[in-house]
Amino acid sequence: AQKITQTQPGMFVQEKEAVTLDCTYDTSDQSYGLFWYKQPSSGEMIFLIYQGSYDEQNATEGRYSLNFQKARKSANLVISASQLGDSAMYFCAMTVYSSASKIIFGSGTRLSIRP
Amino acid sequence: NAGVTQTPKFQVLKTGQSMTLQCAQDMNHEYMSWYRQDPGMGLRLIHYSVGAGITDQGEVPNGYNVSRSTTEDFPLRLLSAAPSQTSVYFCASRTTVNSNQPQHFGDGTRLSIL
Repeated sequence: AQKITQTQPGMFVQEKEAVTLDCTYDTSDQSYGLFWYKQPSSGEMIFLIYQGSYDEQNATEGRYSLNFQKARKSANLVISASQLGDSAMYFCAMTVYSSASKIIFGSGTRLSIRP
Repeated sequence: NAGVTQTPKFQVLKTGQSMTLQCAQDMNHEYMSWYRQDPGMGLRLIHYSVGAGITDQGEVPNGYNVSRSTTEDFPLRLLSAAPSQTSVYFCASRTTVNSNQPQHFGDGTRLSIL
């Protein structure tokens, strides 16, 4: 069975600092994908970054990077040079490609950026 | 360029009433899903569909019914509403089942059961 765990309910970070949001996952399958989404207070879900289990390099998208450690089953999101607009809920999600490919989410981390 | 459209945006029901939350996408996506998000919590998968005529249960399917008669539409039915079903409901779609593409989300339906 798939499982996603985000152990940080909330985080406070000073503006312009880097921040790491933790995500661990559990699956016995070898082929899977990991996603990160941002949900601002307005409620919409915004896709940030994707990492496939067979991707050799860590994914990067602008200020977002994914620190993928396959052996430890972790897929942490790193935001460089945080901005006030980064204050939001962040969700990690995964899909397993060898089964029915449903996508499940973690419980989220609320990130607050201090000016 | 509509994407994923959910209706209604808000709804108040009385306990025991039934209703259907509508979800439509115009991107010819195979995969569609429904989630609920309770206050301060993550998204929990209710039901999903990998194509027209095919649906399956997610993490919290009890009390909900779905069907997928067309590629575009994936309605979610509450059979007999209960206060525990008060939540924000999101519909999402993505291109194919085994895809590295992310899901596109609707704007959500905020549902209150009195």
